[in-house]
Parts: sequence; structure tokens; C-alpha cells
Amino acid sequence: DTGVSQNPRHKITKRGQNVTFRCDPISEHNRLYWYRQTLGQGPEFLTYFQNEAQLEKSRLLSDRFSAERPKGSFSTLEIQRTEQGDSAMYLCASSLVDQGPQHFGDGTRLSIL
Amino acid sequence: EDQVTQSPEALRLQEGESSSLNCSYTVSGLRGLFWYRQDPGKGPEFLFTLYSAGEEKEKERLKATLTKKESFLHITAPKPEDSATYLCAVPVYNQGGKLIFGQGTELSVKP
Repeated sequence: DTGVSQNPRHKITKRGQNVTFRCDPISEHNRLYWYRQTLGQGPEFLTYFQNEAQLEKSRLLSDRFSAERPKGSFSTLEIQRTEQGDSAMYLCASSLVDQGPQHFGDGTRLSIL
Repeated sequence: EDQVTQSPEALRLQEGESSSLNCSYTVSGLRGLFWYRQDPGKGPEFLFTLYSAGEEKEKERLKATLTKKESFLHITAPKPEDSATYLCAVPVYNQGGKLIFGQGTELSVKP
């Protein structure tokens, strides 16, 4: 399977804990995107990378959120001091060029107790 | 402000009952419109890209069309396996491919 891979698929944590998610994009894709999706809504943009450079961050991404893409391959999204409102599905997508279709992984569902 | 609105929010069809889903958009400089299918607990699955008004794309029972203000996803003789949420999205002009999504249409096809 050469699609976008995300781990873990589910994460349950207590409020105030830190969590980290991983995304492995399609290997030849140089663009990588993170989105957040809540129930009944479409995905909302969080941030994106071209190779290892983080080029844009949404206002949704507070200073508790940080994303990296070392060496332009896989990416990690870390949330520090989690809050109830962080409960959502976190989706990763990749594309070959900036206007090309984005291909999504199956997401990490985060639940905050 | 760029915006994407989908209607209806939910659609219930009988197997074989054709219908259409609507995606209205307001963007400054359209650089394409994407349709995705999303099954519960899964990520969106890419279906179509449309780039210019008048363009049409087909895949099995689905056909997507595009005008200057909206896109339609026509479903012909749907089957229960077509049940899913259908999302449309447009890239924000000059922002590196960042997508704005509609809220989706939840389609249910009963046998």
C-alpha cells in the first residue's frame, strides 16, 4: 500500500497530557498538509509543508500545537497540554504539486478524557 | 472571504433513485474544485478534479460538473455501497494548495 499512512489511528488521553501523531506521505509527494475534522464538518486546514519547510500555519493552530517534517519525509504533529476542545480527527494529506489533488490518510482520532 | 457551501446536508435515496448534490463556492480565482468521498472513520478519498466551467468527469455511477459558481455531483441509479459523505473543496488562491471544504452531504442509499 503506497497511500498516506497515519499513526496511531486512535489516541485517548487525559486533559493536560501531550500527544504526538505521525504521518507518512506518499513517497514522491513534496507537499504535506495537516487538517482537523470534527463531527459533521468538513476538514479544516491547520498547516502545510513543502519538503521540510513549514510554509503556512492556520489561526486554528495555537502555540500548543507544533508540526515538523524533518528531512522532508514523514511529519509529526504535537499537541501540548491537551484540552477538551482538541478532540477531533486529525488528517494528513499529501500532493505532488500545490494545485494537484491531495490524498488523505485515514486520520488519527483524538479523544480527551 | 472564500467559502464553500454544500446542499443538502443529508440525502436519503432508494436504490436506483438518481439525484444530485450541490457545491456552491465563492473564491477569488478558481484553481480547481475537488470532490471527495468519505466513509465513517476513514479519511476523504479523492474522486474528481474539475478545473474550468463546462468541464465534466465521470466515474461509475458518479458524474461531476462545474459552472462558474457551483458544481454538481450527479448520482445515477445509486447502490447501497454509494452511501457515504461527499465533500467538495477548493484551493485558496495563492496559498499553496490549502483547501477549503464544504460541510459535506451525507448520502444514504437504501435497498
